[in-house]
Amino acid sequence: DAMVIQNPRYQVTQFGKPVTLSCSQTLNHNVMYWYQQKSSQAPKLLFHYYDKDFNNEADTPDNFQSRRPNTSFCFLDIRSPGLGDAAMYLCATSRDASALSYEQYFGPGTRLTVT
Amino acid sequence: DQQVKQNSPSLSVQEGRISILNCDYTNSMFDYFLWYKKYPAEGPTFLISISSIKDKNEDGRFTVFLNKSAKHLSLHIVPSQPGDSAVYFCAASSNTGFQKLVFGTGTRLLVSP
Repeated sequence: DAMVIQNPRYQVTQFGKPVTLSCSQTLNHNVMYWYQQKSSQAPKLLFHYYDKDFNNEADTPDNFQSRRPNTSFCFLDIRSPGLGDAAMYLCATSRDASALSYEQYFGPGTRLTVT
Repeated sequence: DQQVKQNSPSLSVQEGRISILNCDYTNSMFDYFLWYKKYPAEGPTFLISISSIKDKNEDGRFTVFLNKSAKHLSLHIVPSQPGDSAVYFCAASSNTGFQKLVFGTGTRLLVSP
């Protein structure tokens, strides 16, 4: 089945220790997104890639970076995690970014704990 | 500033009855609205959407109503089934450049047998 896969599902990292979260997709979609969702809050878009074009949200901290080496994979790098970065991180894809095909397909998420 | 609001964190309904989940938005530029459903340990999955040129969209047991003047939309599930128990997220986007989705905080629906 075509899908969005996130690894690992649970990640524990130490305060200040860099961590990388992984997302892969078999849908061959052009757009990949990273969302942060804190407890009882709405998912919040961090950035997205349209093919190789990276688009950062204005309020995404510099501590968060992303890489998309090819169509299938996208990584979220947190350079120096703080306690406030503990959250669920959701990866999503869509065929493109127009309203006509705007359904986003989400992965199961990676829950990040910072100790 | 929460542009999409789901003011009811939870809703309990008996099987067979109607479930009504509500969503309010503040940005008048939003013109496309979606509902996502999320089960525990899974990512959100798309459920139903509506464009601002419509006031109703129906898909089986699910109907979304849009009241643009009130900046309000609702999701009706009839009849509700225990398998509908999940968190439902409302999301909105605007047709200006990249169509970023803005999500609400979700409503947890529990359908009891």
